[in-house]
Amino acid sequence: NAGVTQTPKFQVLKTGQSMTLQCAQDMNHNSMYWYRQDPGMGLRLIYYSASEGTTDKGEVPNGYNVSRLNKREFSLRLESAAPSQTSVYFCASSGQPNGDTQYFGPGTRLTVL
Amino acid sequence: AQKITQTQPGMFVQEKEAVTLDCTYDTSDPSYGLFWYKQPSSGEMIFLIYQGSYDQQNATEGRYSLNFQKARKSANLVISASQLGDSAMYFCAMRQIYNQGGKLIFGQGTELSVKP
Repeated sequence: NAGVTQTPKFQVLKTGQSMTLQCAQDMNHNSMYWYRQDPGMGLRLIYYSASEGTTDKGEVPNGYNVSRLNKREFSLRLESAAPSQTSVYFCASSGQPNGDTQYFGPGTRLTVL
Repeated sequence: AQKITQTQPGMFVQEKEAVTLDCTYDTSDPSYGLFWYKQPSSGEMIFLIYQGSYDQQNATEGRYSLNFQKARKSANLVISASQLGDSAMYFCAMRQIYNQGGKLIFGQGTELSVKP
């Protein structure tokens, strides 16, 4: 059981480049989430998917798009990266949106130059 | 608006002693959940303990216990018999039970250092 996996672990982009962060979970969870963590701060929700086929904006969605590819996979796309998107990105999943603990992936450290 | 406040940016504790990490929260919802996560220097977020707003008893998980005082809106984490491996950032988080999607709201964290 790998839990929640994320790729890549590290990425450096130039301003204006695009990329997709991948997330997969093998716990048969319904809900998946993308958070970002900036230095000295807690995590903030970017987007979430309460169940397969649905996605919704979180607290800081600007500059991002998401795709819930299937029950296992939830990707985060940066269409035109900006230095303000330099952060550590965490994917999480939970069995149910309102009843279960969220388990986190190892994170992706992204630097935008 | 919902908010989590952790007022201790950093704390030190001697190995084998107990330590309390403070967390206060603000919400108008009657149903919510409170979580503590540990983030070691390697960066991953590790779930430690959960307390539901209607739970009568304080949650415990091994050396971790949650001191839940609902009237004060506080959910402090108590770590007993600290170990060197407990050195990490600790985040308190809240989830509204009926909030669609189960979004977690995090505090800014407390950095705990355990001294040998």
